[in-house]
Amino acid sequence: GNSVTQMEGPVTLSEEAFLTINCTYTATGYPSLFWYVQYPGEGLQLLLKATKADDKGSNKGFEATYRKETTSFHLEKGSVQVSDSAVYFCALITTQGGSEKLVFGKGMKLTVNP
Amino acid sequence: GAVVSQHPSWVICKSGTSVKIECRSLDFQATTMFWYRQFPKQSLMLMATSNEGSKATYEQGVEKDKFLINHASLTLSTLTVTSAHPEDSSFYICSARSGGGETQYFGPGTRLLVL
Repeated sequence: GNSVTQMEGPVTLSEEAFLTINCTYTATGYPSLFWYVQYPGEGLQLLLKATKADDKGSNKGFEATYRKETTSFHLEKGSVQVSDSAVYFCALITTQGGSEKLVFGKGMKLTVNP
Repeated sequence: GAVVSQHPSWVICKSGTSVKIECRSLDFQATTMFWYRQFPKQSLMLMATSNEGSKATYEQGVEKDKFLINHASLTLSTLTVTSAHPEDSSFYICSARSGGGETQYFGPGTRLLVL
């Protein structure tokens, strides 16, 4: 079946540190890939997405590249800020039976200290 | 951006009672709404998909008679947990999508505790 595996936290970094959150997927066909972020007390928000191989999604300094050969969509940011403290979810969309379904990873909590 | 609200954010109830959770799209019309469930340290699991004016489509293993979903308007969907039991305690999250779009907009979630 379709699934997403992402590194589990929690992770604590200092401000301006480099961030990588690994995400790999298993899917039939060619899924679209997403990173969602959930800030404390808020709903999930779409951070970035990529719809085909070699596409790079980017937003707010975060980047992720759709790697078909390694079935990966790792999230990176060169210099994290305190405001990046949140839970990050990797996800994919598949079309099964004519309907689109989001499949999520378990989420990773990031805390950035000043 | 698109905003989705949920009410209540927290609910505690006695075993055997029913609980209704509302999901509203505040600034767009949601032709499709989704209900997810999240256990601690687990990923969000899709429970059901509802389209306005039609019956919800439930995922395998989700009891449709226990989790009643109504999507009567383009801005409101409700999830009713009937005869709740302690094992129904969880975090319930809804999302909404407008027609023709791929992006789902998520509500902040509702935490249910059944005593």
